[in-house]
Amino acid sequence: EPEVTQTPSHQVTQMGQEVILRCVPISNHLYFYWYRQILGQKVEFLVSFYNNEISEKSEIFDDQFSVERPDGSNFTLKIRSTKLEDSAMYFCASYYRWAGNGYTFGSGTRLTVV
Amino acid sequence: GNSVTQMEGPVTLSEEAFLTINCTYTATGYPSLFWYVQYPGEGLQLLLKATKADDKGSNKGFEATYRKETTSFHLEKGSVQVSDSAVYFCALKLFGEETSGSRLTFGEGTQLTVNP
Repeated sequence: EPEVTQTPSHQVTQMGQEVILRCVPISNHLYFYWYRQILGQKVEFLVSFYNNEISEKSEIFDDQFSVERPDGSNFTLKIRSTKLEDSAMYFCASYYRWAGNGYTFGSGTRLTVV
Repeated sequence: GNSVTQMEGPVTLSEEAFLTINCTYTATGYPSLFWYVQYPGEGLQLLLKATKADDKGSNKGFEATYRKETTSFHLEKGSVQVSDSAVYFCALKLFGEETSGSRLTFGEGTQLTVNP
C-alpha cells in the first residue's frame, strides 16, 4: 500500500536554528498538509498546499514557517528560527480528491528544540 | 467554529471487554467524521469514516454511527484485544471543501490500554 514517507524520524536542534522537515507524499495525490502534535495535546492543522501554493494556513503558521514542493515529489516544512515551543511531532499528510478514504499520514518527525 | 470533543482518557480495559470512546462535535456545515488510530511509534491511520447522518463506519471490529441529532460519533468495539492498545482520535472535515485546503479538526485523543 502506498505510504507517505517522512524524514528524519527524530531531529534535535538548538533554539534559533533553522530546520527542514521532509516528506514524500503519495505520488498521485494532489493535496498536501502539515499537522503538528505537541506532546499530550491535540493534533493541530498547520497548512495545506495545492497546485504549488498554500491553500489554507492556521494561526500557528506564522512567518517563521514556510512550505515548499521543490521538485514535484518532496514536500518540505521549514522553521526558520526554532523556539522551544516548536518541539512537537510533525505529521505530513496527502490526499487525492475523490479518493473517499481520507488522508494518508506519514509516521511523523519528532522535533526537539533545546 | 468547528471542534471535536472526546471523552477524557486514558482508558484501561481487560481483553474481551466492551469499548466505547465518546466523541461529540460542533460544526458550521455538514461534516464528514473520522476515527484515526495511532499505534506506538507510528503515524495516524484512518480507522473508519462516515460522510452523512446515520451512516455507520466499520473496520476491524470497530464501529461508529454518525448521529446528527446528538452531534456524536462514538467509537465502539464489542471485544477488545491487546493489539488494540493505541491512541484514538476523532476528527471532522467539512463536506464540500474538496477544492480547498480542507483541514481535519481533531479531538484530544484517547489512550486505550488493553491488558491480557
